Amino acid sequence: AQSVTQPDIHITVSEGASLELRCNYSYGATPYLFWYVQSPGQGLQLLLKYFSGDTLVQGIKGFEAEFKRSQSSFNLRKPSVHWSDAAEYFCAVGAPQAGTALIFGKGTTLSVSS
Amino acid sequence: DVKVTQSSRYLVKRTGEKVFLECVQDMDHENMFWYRQDPGLGLRLIYFSYDVKMKEKGDIPEGYSVSREKKERFSLILESASTNQTSMYLCASSLGATGGGELFFGEGSRLTVL
Repeated sequence: AQSVTQPDIHITVSEGASLELRCNYSYGATPYLFWYVQSPGQGLQLLLKYFSGDTLVQGIKGFEAEFKRSQSSFNLRKPSVHWSDAAEYFCAVGAPQAGTALIFGKGTTLSVSS
Repeated sequence: DVKVTQSSRYLVKRTGEKVFLECVQDMDHENMFWYRQDPGLGLRLIYFSYDVKMKEKGDIPEGYSVSREKKERFSLILESASTNQTSMYLCASSLGATGGGELFFGEGSRLTVL
């Protein structure tokens, strides 16, 4: 069965510092991988996705993520965090098969300190 | 832009009431989903549908049912609301025959059951 683990419940980063949010998945083949962000009071917005090909994917708002098959990981990174990045971040895994749905991790809350 | 609209942002209901949560998408997506979001638990899949009149149980279907009579509309029904169903409910849709595609989310419906 698919599963997603986000080991960090809450992270605080200083504005301007770099960020890495961790995501580990369990899936038998190469999955579809996603990062979503949820700002307070808002719905979820897609940051980036990986389906195949280049293992380093670029997303919106200056985010990137790297798929590492050997580590079953899909960590999200940003070189310089802005105060507006404070939000909850969700990693999700999907299977390239009809009749299936994305499975989400429990989320990581990012706080940005000045 | 894809738009997923949830009819009610905030609802307050009493224990035992029947509750309808409506979701409409305007992009002719095949797949529609209902997730429940609770602090510390992330998003959990309740039900999804990959075609009109088709439905599949997710991870936590107990106490819920769904209806998809038209392609653009997916309703979540709580037959007899209970206090443990107090939560944020998120509707989403996705395009394509495969289940692992990008999800587009509504802004959520926050339900309080008293």
